[in-house]
Amino acid sequence: AQSVTQLGSHVSVSEGALVLLRCNYSSSVPPYLFWYVQYPNQGLQLLLKYTTGATLVKGINGFEAEFKKSETSFHLTKPSAHMSDAAEYFCAVSDQIKGSNYKLTFGKGTLLTVNP
Amino acid sequence: NAGVTQTPKFRVLKTGQSMTLLCAQDMNHEYMYWYRQDPGMGLRLIHYSVGEGTTAKGEVPDGYNVSRLKKQNFLLGLESAAPSQTSVYFCASSYSSGQPQHFGDGTRLSIL
Repeated sequence: AQSVTQLGSHVSVSEGALVLLRCNYSSSVPPYLFWYVQYPNQGLQLLLKYTTGATLVKGINGFEAEFKKSETSFHLTKPSAHMSDAAEYFCAVSDQIKGSNYKLTFGKGTLLTVNP
Repeated sequence: NAGVTQTPKFRVLKTGQSMTLLCAQDMNHEYMYWYRQDPGMGLRLIHYSVGEGTTAKGEVPDGYNVSRLKKQNFLLGLESAAPSQTSVYFCASSYSSGQPQHFGDGTRLSIL
């Protein structure tokens, strides 16, 4: 079974600063990788996904992530933080359950705070 | 387009009571999932379904049952609620396995 590690349960940045949220997964087999964002009292929204092809993936709201197989990492970045980016971010990896069925295994989340 | 709709949004139960959480999706997705979210734990899979009439256990299935009688609906049942089941429950659906999942807004359940 896969495991997902998000380094830092809480990250605080200033408005306009670089956002870097770290995610490492356990499998040596390239999985499907996802970043989700959760705003208070809401469900999870897909930010971006990596399935195959280009390792630099662009998502919504100016976020992007790079799949690095050698480092088993999928870190999320945004060049300039905005106040509206304050939310909790979850990294997830597809994990085989049985046969051709997969589930998502989630990291424990990183709460991003943006200071004015 | 409503996407994934969960009802109710909030509920308070007493220990030992039963209830059913309803999830409905209008995207014609085959796969549906129930998760629970607890502070510092991320999301953990309770049960899932790969199609109408099928269900299977996830990571934390004990104390829960599910049914998928119609493709668009996935019900989560608590037969005898326990305080340890206090959590936020999310339903999700996807077109195929391993693909991005679409989430509802959650049901906040407190068991006293």
